[in-house]
Amino acid sequence: DAGVIQSPRHEVTEMGQEVTLRCKPISGHDYLFWYRQTMMRGLELLIYFNNNVPIDDSGMPEDRFSAKMPNASFSTLKIQPSEPRDSAVYFCATFIRGNTEAFFGQGTRLTVV
Amino acid sequence: AQSVAQPEDQVNVAEGNPLTVKCTYSVSGNPYLFWYVQYPNRGLQFLLKYITGDNLVKGSYGFEAEFNKSQTSFHLKKPSALVSDSALYFCAVREGRLGNNDMRFGAGTRLTVKP
Repeated sequence: DAGVIQSPRHEVTEMGQEVTLRCKPISGHDYLFWYRQTMMRGLELLIYFNNNVPIDDSGMPEDRFSAKMPNASFSTLKIQPSEPRDSAVYFCATFIRGNTEAFFGQGTRLTVV
Repeated sequence: AQSVAQPEDQVNVAEGNPLTVKCTYSVSGNPYLFWYVQYPNRGLQFLLKYITGDNLVKGSYGFEAEFNKSQTSFHLKKPSALVSDSALYFCAVREGRLGNNDMRFGAGTRLTVKP
């Protein structure tokens, strides 16, 4: 397996534009997490899914953020409209139910100017 | 909700010396505990985990960690540090019961190993 795949690796966009980040989990993993990493706040859990269903989205900072998982092999995190304070590295991580560790993607570095 | 504290932002050690990166946790049930390492411009890589059993767990690259239930700690250790161990280290906790699988991370500790 190629691991957790995130795209794009880098995204530079202008304030007010819509941004969509993508994640392809490892096949068979039934949990998917979205994290945001910044210097100020560290690694924050935004939302996680189990079997494609959102379980906890309490970490999503504002209504501008939304996440979907239409099937077991794809998830998106959307920011609309984007703001400079959304600049961060966004990670997707997945694992199988039980006592297993999570596997992380390489992350998407988002810069909003 | 579960939480993790890494009390040190930065740890500096000399190459060849032992290293310790501290972690304490808070959960209402039994913890699943993890250590991850992050190199520049990379995702997090799994190092080791404690689920149950022996309190001393061994992981990748010569790292080990000791689970201490009374002190709610899970400190990362290595007997002899290498310059290549320099990176950002994260402790994480998940509550070990059905229905609650969100995983929380500490703020991270930057380890610098000097030649």
